[in-house]
Order: sequence, then C-alpha cells, then structure tokens
Amino acid sequence: AQSVSQHNHHVILSEAASLELGCNYSYGGTVNLFWYVQYPGQHLQLLLKYFSGDPLVKGIKGFEAEFIKSKFSFNLRKPSVQWSDTAEYFCAVKEYNNNDMRFGAGTRLTVKP
Amino acid sequence: EPEVTQTPSHQVTQMGQEVILRCVPISNHLYFYWYRQILGQKVEFLVSFYNNEISEKSEIFDDQFSVERPDGSNFTLKIRSTKLEDSAMYFCASRDWDTSYNEQFFGPGTRLTVL
Repeated sequence: AQSVSQHNHHVILSEAASLELGCNYSYGGTVNLFWYVQYPGQHLQLLLKYFSGDPLVKGIKGFEAEFIKSKFSFNLRKPSVQWSDTAEYFCAVKEYNNNDMRFGAGTRLTVKP
Repeated sequence: EPEVTQTPSHQVTQMGQEVILRCVPISNHLYFYWYRQILGQKVEFLVSFYNNEISEKSEIFDDQFSVERPDGSNFTLKIRSTKLEDSAMYFCASRDWDTSYNEQFFGPGTRLTVL
C-alpha cells in the first residue's frame, strides 16, 4: 500500500533560519504531490503542488519543494522562516488516476521570535 | 473566494448515538471527500464521492459510515452508532472535474467528541 513518510515530528527554529522538511512516499507510478499547512485553529490550506514539469515547485509565502523521482522525495524548503510560519505541515501524495490522497503524519514547526 | 463550509464546528455525542456531519462543497465542484484526523495523528482518507456514488473508500470506512448528497449543495457523513474511537476532526474536501488540476479544497473541519 502507498505510504507517505515525514521524517520530523516537531521542528523548532529561530526566525530567519532555513527550513527543510522531508517527505518520502512509496508509490512507484505517476503521482501528484502536495504540501498542505494547518495554522493553529485553522483548516488545511494548500502551500504548493506538483503535477508535472519543472521538479522545483514554488508555492505561497516563499515556500518551495523539489520533486526527486529517483529518491521518491518531495521535500519542502524555505530559506528564511518567520514566526508566522508556526503551523503543522502535511505532505500528501495522490496516485494520478486515483481519488485516494494519502497524507503524512505531519510535522509541527515552531518558530521562535 | 469560494470555500468549503462544514457544520457544526463541534459535535458532542454519546457513544452509540448517530451523528450526521454536514458539508457544503464549492458549488461547481464534482468530487467530494471526507477525511478524519484523530488528535495527534495523521489526516486519514475515508471516502471519495462522485456522480452520486462512492468512488473509493478506505478500510476505515466500514458499515457504520455512510455518505449522501441529499440535494444539490450538501454532502453529509453519517456515523450510525458512534464509538469512542470515532472522536476526531472530520474534514470535508471538494475538487472540480478537471483532472489536470487536482487540488482539493478543504473545509474547516468538525470536531466530533464521543463520550
């Protein structure tokens, strides 16, 4: 069965530090890849997505992610985090011809001011 | 900007009772989903719904669960006889028909507490 792994459960950074959150998936076919963010008390919002083309995807709020097919990875990055980036981040993978979207366990990011 | 809405925001029920969680998807969307997130755990897919029928469901979605689109706007999740372990946040999501643009838009969630 397809699975999604997020390596870090809780990441604590100071403002202006660089961020990289890992995401690996197990499915070998064509996939659509997503990063969602859940700010405290709010619902899931899409940060960025990859369907095809340039494997380096830019999203909202300065986030980007790189799809490395050979490593089955889709890591999320931001060069300089802000206190307002404190949230839970979820990687999600959907097989191209399937409605079932699988989420990782999430990574809680805490940014200290 | 259109958004998915869910009611109620918090539902408290006794074990064994039936609950219905309601969702209003974005109006021109055709695919609908339910997910749940048990506190401290990952978001889990429950079911997808298209053209008035279930298109896929997970192993979590057993006979105690059912979904319905009773009219042109609402999409409901019913749990027939709630168990303590059904306590979770339940998220509804919808997307449009264009398969090249597969973003799902999520609602704010309903927190279900089973006592």
